[in-house]
Amino acid sequence: EDQVTQSPEALRLQEGESSSLNCSYTVSGLRGLFWYRQDPGKGPEFLFTLYSAGEEKEKERLKATLTKKESFLHITAPKPEDSATYLCAAPSGSARQLTFGSGTQLTVLP
Amino acid sequence: ETGVTQTPRHLVMGMTNKKSLKCEQHLGHNAMYWYKQSAKKPLELMFVYNFKEQTENNSVPSRFSPECPNSSHLFLHLHTLQPEDSALYLCASSQERARTEAFFGQGTRLTVV
Repeated sequence: EDQVTQSPEALRLQEGESSSLNCSYTVSGLRGLFWYRQDPGKGPEFLFTLYSAGEEKEKERLKATLTKKESFLHITAPKPEDSATYLCAAPSGSARQLTFGSGTQLTVLP
Repeated sequence: ETGVTQTPRHLVMGMTNKKSLKCEQHLGHNAMYWYKQSAKKPLELMFVYNFKEQTENNSVPSRFSPECPNSSHLFLHLHTLQPEDSALYLCASSQERARTEAFFGQGTRLTVV
């Protein structure tokens, strides 16, 4: 069964304290790994797509990386406005639908 | 502005009411989706439409009825809902089904009383 697992469930950081979020997947024949940011009561906002092991994407303080078994979202010197839930998703083995993880709720304290 | 617009943003309905959620995408995508997001749970895929044809129905109760009149519009018709159906309902679209990134609307917060 295709699974996407995110850890930790929640993460509290002080402003400027760098850290990483993890997304592990058991999807046969990975056809992409997607990262989203979701603010409370709003729809997920697309951040990155990664297609192959070793690939990296960056946007402001965020950098996403991909290995054969997992992806990391690195947050460098976060600010309070980075507080949100970060979701990762991968297409199912049949590529018929996206499987989402439960998300990591990030809180950055000033 | 994400290119995917959902209306209404908030909806309160009684268990005997009939209502509809609307989604419109301005991105020229071919696939559209309905997701349900309940508190403390992962996003649950409900329906998938690809080129206006329904391709997935993830065991959704018949009190939820989707409609896709064209590639840009998607509706979710609701009737005789239960309080446990209260959730954030999200519409999304993608260029290709599941193979490319999906873009989401802002969602409809539904409360069933």
